[in-house]
Amino acid sequence: KNEVEQSPQNLTAQEGEFITINCSYSVGISALHWLQQHPGGGIVSLFMLSSGKKKHGRLIATINIQEKHSSLHITASHPRDSAVYICAVPLIQGAQKLVFGQGTRLTINP
Amino acid sequence: DVKVTQSSRYLVKRTGEKVFLECVQDMDHENMFWYRQDPGLGLRLIYFSYDVKMKEKGDIPEGYSVSREKKERFSLILESASTNQTSMYLCASSLNGWRGAPSDEQFFGPGTRLTVL
Repeated sequence: KNEVEQSPQNLTAQEGEFITINCSYSVGISALHWLQQHPGGGIVSLFMLSSGKKKHGRLIATINIQEKHSSLHITASHPRDSAVYICAVPLIQGAQKLVFGQGTRLTINP
Repeated sequence: DVKVTQSSRYLVKRTGEKVFLECVQDMDHENMFWYRQDPGLGLRLIYFSYDVKMKEKGDIPEGYSVSREKKERFSLILESASTNQTSMYLCASSLNGWRGAPSDEQFFGPGTRLTVL
């Protein structure tokens, strides 16, 4: 079974700072997912990537398949970025089932 | 845009009651999922369906059953609710319809916060 570790668990920063959240997993995968969960519960898919880098607005996700590691970066952070960020990878036995990290709670202060 | 809706945002039930949680998606997705989310434990898969009337157990199926009679609707059933089933329940759907398909983006509903007294 794939194990997923995220760091840090909690992160507090000032508005404008560059943010990095890390995700490591234990076995080879076809794709890695980054998700965002705002207070109130709704989860939104941010990225799904299998190699290299993807960018969407101020969010950048990178993955190193050999190192089994991915990072989510936020440039020019804003209080509305405050949320829980979750990475997820497929189970080795079935690609449709995901294993989720514990999440990183990000708070951006004005 | 894909829309995944869940029948209730908040639900309070008593121990022993039969509870139905409904999930509907409007984008003709093949796969549907039920998760529960608890503090410190993250998201855990309860059941997964990759086609009408097809289902697979997830990590924590005990105490739950599911029904998928129509493609757009996936129901989670708690046959006899217990206090340890108090949790946030999230439904999700994704496009690919066969078990060996590559991992696909999942679209989540708003969640149902269930309290069992």
